[in-house]
Amino acid sequence: DVKVTQSSRYLVKRTGEKVFLECVQDMDHENMFWYRQDPGLGLRLIYFSYDVKMKEKGDIPEGYSVSREKKERFSLILESASTNQTSMYLCASRSRVNQPQHFGDGTRLSIL
Amino acid sequence: AQSVSQHNHHVILSEAASLELGCNYSYGGTVNLFWYVQYPGQHLQLLLKYFSGDPLVKGIKGFEAEFIKSKFSFNLRKPSVQWSDTAEYFCAVTRPAHSGAGSYQLTFGKGTKLSVIP
Repeated sequence: DVKVTQSSRYLVKRTGEKVFLECVQDMDHENMFWYRQDPGLGLRLIYFSYDVKMKEKGDIPEGYSVSREKKERFSLILESASTNQTSMYLCASRSRVNQPQHFGDGTRLSIL
Repeated sequence: AQSVSQHNHHVILSEAASLELGCNYSYGGTVNLFWYVQYPGQHLQLLLKYFSGDPLVKGIKGFEAEFIKSKFSFNLRKPSVQWSDTAEYFCAVTRPAHSGAGSYQLTFGKGTKLSVIP
């Protein structure tokens, strides 16, 4: 079974802090994704990576950056956290194009 | 704008009732279609997917979905729901990445909450 592990289930940070959300997958998947999930808005893609050191902006990349130095790890960075970034963040991975994505349990991030 | 629409925000059914959740998308050309489910407190799981072939696809837990290309629809159905089907359901569609690098992004609908009353 594919395992996508997000480092924290719950995280509380302060406005202006630099925040790192980590995601690790154990199936040697090529593609990895970061979404945020907000009530009534569904999942919105922030960034994705289709290979090591490669990244592409999704639909809402403003205020975020990502890092993929190793195939199994995909990090989401909030450069200077703001209250409107309070959300549930979901990481996903996929072996290749046209295969389903596998999701982690999510990190509920609160910015105070 | 390209989008995925789920018609119902919240559906409430009694056990044994039949379920149909609507999903429409606005992309032209080839698409891959998915339904994901999120049970309370759990991660998103794949229910079923359509890539090609028979437009009626069967998934886990007795769910099925029908792809109707002319209507740009991929509705989810279950003949008889159970209390354990209480969850949020998301329709998703692939579309080509902006870069054309061949990595297809998923676009999700806003989700439909299903509450099943025992």
